[in-house]
Amino acid sequence: EPEVTQTPSHQVTQMGQEVILRCVPISNHLYFYWYRQILGQKVEFLVSFYNNEISEKSEIFDDQFSVERPDGSNFTLKIRSTKLEDSAMYFCALVTGTTRTDTQYFGPGTRLTVL
Amino acid sequence: RKEVEQDPGPFNVPEGATVAFNCTYSNSASQSFFWYRQDCRKEPKLLMSVYSSGNEDGRFTAQLNRASQYISLLIRDSKLSDSATYLCVVTARHSSGGGNKLTFGTGTQLKVEL
Repeated sequence: EPEVTQTPSHQVTQMGQEVILRCVPISNHLYFYWYRQILGQKVEFLVSFYNNEISEKSEIFDDQFSVERPDGSNFTLKIRSTKLEDSAMYFCALVTGTTRTDTQYFGPGTRLTVL
Repeated sequence: RKEVEQDPGPFNVPEGATVAFNCTYSNSASQSFFWYRQDCRKEPKLLMSVYSSGNEDGRFTAQLNRASQYISLLIRDSKLSDSATYLCVVTARHSSGGGNKLTFGTGTQLKVEL
C-alpha cells in the first residue's frame, strides 16, 4: 500500500470560512481523488485529478470547491465558503500504478466540522 | 434504484461462524469490483478485488455474477477483529480517460462476538 498522509486530521471552522485540506503522498502518483463521507452515510466521490487537471467531478463538487497540486507534491481540496452541510470526513485516494484501473488507496482522512 | 445496494445489517455472529454479504449494482457498464473494509471513523481499506472467476484470500472469498449484477463476500471462521463495516465498491470506465471514480454501497456492519 502507498503511504499517504492528510492534514489536518481535524479541522473546526465557522460557517462561511475557507478551508484547505491537504493530501501528501510519499511517492509519485498520477491519479488523485477526493471523497467525502458524512457521518452515518456512504462514501461519496467528489473529484478525480489526473495530469494536473480535473478529469471528472460529481454534482457535489460545485463552485465552492477547487483542487490543485500547488507544488507538484501536495494535493489540496479547497472549500471557499463552508456550509454546515460540508461537515464530513474528507478522504484523498491515490492509484498506485500508472493506469487508471489500478486500485485506489485511501488516506486517513480529515474530519471537517463546520459550526 | 441505488447504484450499489447492500443490506446495512448489523450482522451479529459468534466467533468462528461463517457469514456472507451480498451486494447488487445497477450500472451494467461497471468494470471493476472491490470489497473494502472500514473501521469506525477510519478510512476505507481494500480487502480484495472481485473477479468473475471468483477469488479467495485466506478466510475471505469473493464472487461476481455479471449477468445478475451481484457481488458476494464470504468470511469463514470469523474473528473478533473482523468486526467492521464491509463496503461493496464498483467502478465504471470514464469516457475521457481520467481516473475511474469508485461508487460505494452504504456498507454492511459486522459484529463478531465471543
